[in-house]
Amino acid sequence: EVQLLESGGGLVQPGGSLRLSCAASGFTFSTYAMTWVRQAPGKGLEWVSGISGSGGSTWYGASVKGRFSISRDNSKNTLYLQMNSLRAEDTAVYYCAKFRGSGSHHYYRMDVWGQGTTVTVSS
Amino acid sequence: QSVLTQPPSVSGAPGQRVTISCTGSSSNIGAGYDVHWYQQLPGTAPKLLIYANDNRPSGVPDRFSGSKSGPSASLAITGLQAEDEADYYCQSYDTSLSGYVFGSGTKVTVL
Repeated sequence: EVQLLESGGGLVQPGGSLRLSCAASGFTFSTYAMTWVRQAPGKGLEWVSGISGSGGSTWYGASVKGRFSISRDNSKNTLYLQMNSLRAEDTAVYYCAKFRGSGSHHYYRMDVWGQGTTVTVSS
Repeated sequence: QSVLTQPPSVSGAPGQRVTISCTGSSSNIGAGYDVHWYQQLPGTAPKLLIYANDNRPSGVPDRFSGSKSGPSASLAITGLQAEDEADYYCQSYDTSLSGYVFGSGTKVTVL
């Protein structure tokens, strides 16, 4: 069974840092691009960042570019999101998801999602 | 403000048909990028419902169908059931933003 399990969320002060992890199982991790999506309390979904299967290509949403960094360790089947200079508006549930698709990454869909981990930025 | 516009809510009686629109622009749906739909039941993670405009993943009932025309897409639910009460999101890629975009979300209520 394909599973994604996020961890690392918590309470952090504005300006602080946090690293999220997403442990993957049930599929050949290195074969698939992965992504992070977040959902602020009571709000809709917002794409945060993505990474290719090899880790050689990364993509970021405008609201996090320059502050967040996505990476992966294919030997550990784990995806990461390093979040720096955190702001109150980064408060959200963060989901990792597996990308699926062929051809250009522009056409990828998110076919498997984790249960999410909650990040709260507050003093 | 979401790049893809959806109605905030739609409702219908059990057994009825409801549709959810997703309106984009020439930099996303209108540029030819695929539209995907996700269902988020209360308190749970989103689930892929329709991919590449009109395809259902294995296990998704055929009551759910998708379509795309020009800069817009639609999700239809026929034979509405109580278990369909959820939030629904469309998603595509935007070339101007160089990133993936979601619709604002639509809450479906079964009367």
